[in-house]
This record gives sequence, C-alpha cells and structure tokens, in this order.
Amino acid sequence: SSELTQDPAVSVALGQTVRITCQGDSLRNYYASWYQQKPGQAPVLVIYDKNNRPSGIPDRFSGSTSGNTASLTITGVQAEDEADYYCNSRDSGGNPNWVFGGGTKLTVL
Amino acid sequence: EVQLVESGGGLVKPGGSLRLSCAASGFTFSSYTMNWVRQAPGKGLEWVSSISSSSRSIYYADSVKGRFTISRDNAKNSVYLQMDSLRAEDTAVYYCVRTNTGSHIAAAGTVFYYYMDVWGKGTTVTVSS
Repeated sequence: SSELTQDPAVSVALGQTVRITCQGDSLRNYYASWYQQKPGQAPVLVIYDKNNRPSGIPDRFSGSTSGNTASLTITGVQAEDEADYYCNSRDSGGNPNWVFGGGTKLTVL
Repeated sequence: EVQLVESGGGLVKPGGSLRLSCAASGFTFSSYTMNWVRQAPGKGLEWVSSISSSSRSIYYADSVKGRFTISRDNAKNSVYLQMDSLRAEDTAVYYCVRTNTGSHIAAAGTVFYYYMDVWGKGTTVTVSS
C-alpha cells in the first residue's frame, strides 16, 4: 500500500503564512484531502478536491498539488489554527483503500 | 443536521470481542460509502475499513483483516464494526466517517475525487487485561 509523508511539526508566527506538505505516490492519481484536529476533538475536513473548502472553513485555508506533493497553505494564521493537520487520499496500490499522512502539529507563535 | 454518532466502545480483554455501532442522521445514508477510522492514543489517524452504499464492496486495512467485520443496515441508517480477537494495539478512538465523491472535467478528461466529509465524535476502545 501507499504512504503519505508529512513533516511532524511546523511553527509559524501569528498573522504569517504557513505551508504544510504531504508527499506520496498516490497523489499522482488522487487529490489529497486535509483535516484539522484539535485536542480531544474529531478531525474536521478543511480542503478537498483540487482546492475546495467545505462550508464554514475560512478562505485563509487553501490547497494545491504538484506531482506527488500536496500542500495546505494557511494565509494570515490565527491563534485558533493551532492544531494537528492530516492529509489523506485513496490508495493507488490496487485496492480502493485510504491512506493517511502521519500528521503535522502546527504551533502558532 | 448531518450527524454520525458512535457507540459500543469500552474496556475488553485481549482476545475478546466488541461491536461498534454508528447511527447516521440528516442525510440519505443509503447513498454513501461509510468508513471506520481509528486513532491510537497520541498517534495519527488510521483507516480501518470501508463499506459501499449497497454493501457490495467491503475493504479492510491489513492490520485488521480477518479479525474485524464491517456491515451496515440501510433501513436503520447504521453501520457496524464487529471486532474479534482484539489486541492491545487495537486500543484507539474509533471514528465513523462518511465518504463523499465528486467529479469535474479537466484537460485529461473527467477527474473523480474522494474525501471524508463527515466524522462522528468517536468511541473509545481499550484492550487491556
């Protein structure tokens, strides 16, 4: 099965821009989705498809893909954006399974 | 309101069994593929199993294949996860999750995309003697 690789931790100053990346072969065939998870809460979808946001997700969240790398960009980071972020996609290894990245802990300074 | 509510978690001894349930509301349950995703304490998310809308297609992660069984009852708007031969490493919060799909036209043709758009709050399973 495929794997998705994320940096374990990223930090950013309040109001700045941060990019969180996700790398894996499955991303050549499927778009990544991105999820935000705060402590003690269930994950919340923030980006899907090429660069779509569910209703209620601020437009400072955006997504992009190039080759085997997907990126989640947060422009003008807010304190409430401090959370764990996970990417996932369908597995391109032959079965329609799902694969998750290991997660990136975003710290807002 | 679109909602998924899990139940059935608890403490079980290694080798034991547990059945998780997930009740859906606020959407046409019978139209969607459903999943179970788990998260061990302090760890990341792990996909466990999927079941298509008609139950025709069922898939499992290698880590649970042969021990877990997913099923659904569209008349009851519910999906289940029967967990047998439980191990300590199955200890986790188990989330019930809806898969959504879409498509758009790109230069190379029709592109399909998939995402997990609705998550329950989770139910905790602890496997310990």
